[in-house]
Amino acid sequence: GEDVEQSLFLSVREGDSSVINCTYTDSSSTYLYWYKQEPGAGLQLLTYIFSNMDMKQDQRLTVLLNKKDKHLSLRIADTQTGDSAIYFCAESPGGFNKFYFGSGTKLNVKP
Amino acid sequence: NAGVTQTPKFQVLKTGQSMTLQCAQDMNHNSMYWYRQDPGMGLRLIYYSASEGTTDKGEVPNGYNVSRLNKREFSLRLESAAPSQTSVYFCASTKGDSLWEQFFGPGTRLTVL
Repeated sequence: GEDVEQSLFLSVREGDSSVINCTYTDSSSTYLYWYKQEPGAGLQLLTYIFSNMDMKQDQRLTVLLNKKDKHLSLRIADTQTGDSAIYFCAESPGGFNKFYFGSGTKLNVKP
Repeated sequence: NAGVTQTPKFQVLKTGQSMTLQCAQDMNHNSMYWYRQDPGMGLRLIYYSASEGTTDKGEVPNGYNVSRLNKREFSLRLESAAPSQTSVYFCASTKGDSLWEQFFGPGTRLTVL
């Protein structure tokens, strides 16, 4: 299968920016995704980026894509305690049906 | 809309017992998926169904079977449970359009003793 890697933990103070990083292996991925999982719940799509884009901004979220290095990042501005969750990076090679998820980064926001 | 629902929420089995995890979606989605989530390993695809009437293996299909009963329902069966199948199981569905956004159920926490 594909290899999607993320660091396991990130701790920030409320009001700071958070940056969660991800590397992936399949250059044919059409879409790359960020999902958020709150405790005891399933995953919810947070944002996504199409593979022909370098950057996408959506309110407090900024996604950066470096296709050459196969590196994806998610920046959360003005991080709040409600942002504490596990964040998963995912790719969909060829854009069809199969999704490969990273191991998830647990974001802890300290007040 | 309830979205994606899963039953049961929790289950404890003894080694060798069998059970079926149920999943249903009311969004008229074409594709449905079963994942397992283990600590530090993210989500791994067990089986998926691209459309009603078809099923395909994912990364970790051994020890599992699935049935796409109709467009709404996709069940996962463990014929002879093993402790290695202790995990949280998530069902998901996608409309099957170009974005392929997945909608997840709340999960089933399974413990095999």
